Amino acid sequence: AQSVTQLGSHVSVSEGALVLLRCNYSSSVPPYLFWYVQYPNQGLQLLLKYTSAATLVKGINGFEAEFKKSETSFHLTKPSAHMSDAAEYFCAVSARNTGNQFYFGTGTSLTVIP
Amino acid sequence: SQTIHQWPATLVQPVGSPLSLECTVEGTSNPNLYWYRQAAGRGLQLLFYSVGIGQISSEVPQNLSASRPQDRQFILSSKKLLLSDSGFYLCAWSVFVGLRGGGVSGANVLTFGAGSRLTVL
Repeated sequence: AQSVTQLGSHVSVSEGALVLLRCNYSSSVPPYLFWYVQYPNQGLQLLLKYTSAATLVKGINGFEAEFKKSETSFHLTKPSAHMSDAAEYFCAVSARNTGNQFYFGTGTSLTVIP
Repeated sequence: SQTIHQWPATLVQPVGSPLSLECTVEGTSNPNLYWYRQAAGRGLQLLFYSVGIGQISSEVPQNLSASRPQDRQFILSSKKLLLSDSGFYLCAWSVFVGLRGGGVSGANVLTFGAGSRLTVL
């Protein structure tokens, strides 16, 4: 079975500072990994995905994530936070062999301080 | 292009009343369909998923049920709502694309609807 753990339910950064949101996965085989963003009262939007190509994945809005098998991690980063980045961020995993089921972390709420 | 519609957007229902949330997908065929629930501060909980008409898998035993009467239609129901059913319900779809001769393409992505906010009083 797959699962993900997001460390830190709330993260605050100053505008212009580095954003680092942590995600660790648990899977018997290397999974597919995703980061989604959710703005208030909206559905989730895909930021980026890892599907076994390059381990450093670039997404929308300047975000990127690096798959580290040795650490079972897929942390999300952005060099410089913008006010518009304030949102809820979810890490998710799906099984490589079927891809039918997606499991999400509990989410990290990002606050950007002006 | 593919679109997903989910309704109603908001719903306030008394305890014990029935529920029906509907989701339809356009622009694709034979999608996998999902219902998730998002309770405050608790992340997303997978409730049901379906890989085809009439094929429903339940992840969590509860007061809810799902049906897929048509290829691109997914309905979440309850006969009698509980207070604990309050939350933000999200429908989603994905298409799993395999490589010719087997294997995995990595093209499977979950796409969400705008959500339905249910308040049970």
